[in-house]
Amino acid sequence: DGGITQSPKYLFRKEGQNVTLSCEQNLNHDAMYWYRQDPGQGLRLIYYSQIVNDFQKGDIAEGYSVSREKKESFPLTVTSAQKNPTAFYLCASSIESKGHGYTFGSGTRLTVV
Amino acid sequence: AQSVTQLDSHVSVSEGTPVLLRCNYSSSYSPSLFWYVQHPNKGLQLLLKYTSAATLVKGINGFEAEFKKSETSFHLTKPSAHMSDAAEYFCVVSARGSTLGRLYFGRGTQLTVWP
Repeated sequence: DGGITQSPKYLFRKEGQNVTLSCEQNLNHDAMYWYRQDPGQGLRLIYYSQIVNDFQKGDIAEGYSVSREKKESFPLTVTSAQKNPTAFYLCASSIESKGHGYTFGSGTRLTVV
Repeated sequence: AQSVTQLDSHVSVSEGTPVLLRCNYSSSYSPSLFWYVQHPNKGLQLLLKYTSAATLVKGINGFEAEFKKSETSFHLTKPSAHMSDAAEYFCVVSARGSTLGRLYFGRGTQLTVWP
């Protein structure tokens, strides 16, 4: 079955470390997105990519980086510059850039220890 | 600009009673509107979506929502709550006239269902 796979499900990071969250999709979707979720704040857009080798900053990109070398993959790196990285991270993809046909992964919960 | 306001952060109902989750939106373009549900530590599941067809939209699990342009509202309803409906619900807007596919999320409504 097609879908989005995020890994790991839970991730612990020491302060000052970079960590990379994986997002892979086999839906042949062009557009992919990373959202951060904090309690009571809904989802906020970190980065998005509409085609391979191209990506754009969202509303809260500071302290994060991404790459889109393959259509299927859109990894997110949380750098040491991100001051409050503890959150639930959701990856999504859509069938085209109009925002319809979104599919979400099951998320990665990142905790700084 | 696009934005969504969910008017209640928490809603509590008894099992078997109606559910109403309220959502108002703002959009510079003709909007597409969605309701998503999220169970703890899970991804988001689409309940229903409005994309300019019928204003009363039926979704999964007995939920429905009505698009009211004059009130800029898209409230989610269900005639009879079930224990399994307890979850967080997000109202979402995207701009159909925009070249971008991004979604704008409300802050969420936590639904509690009492036995």
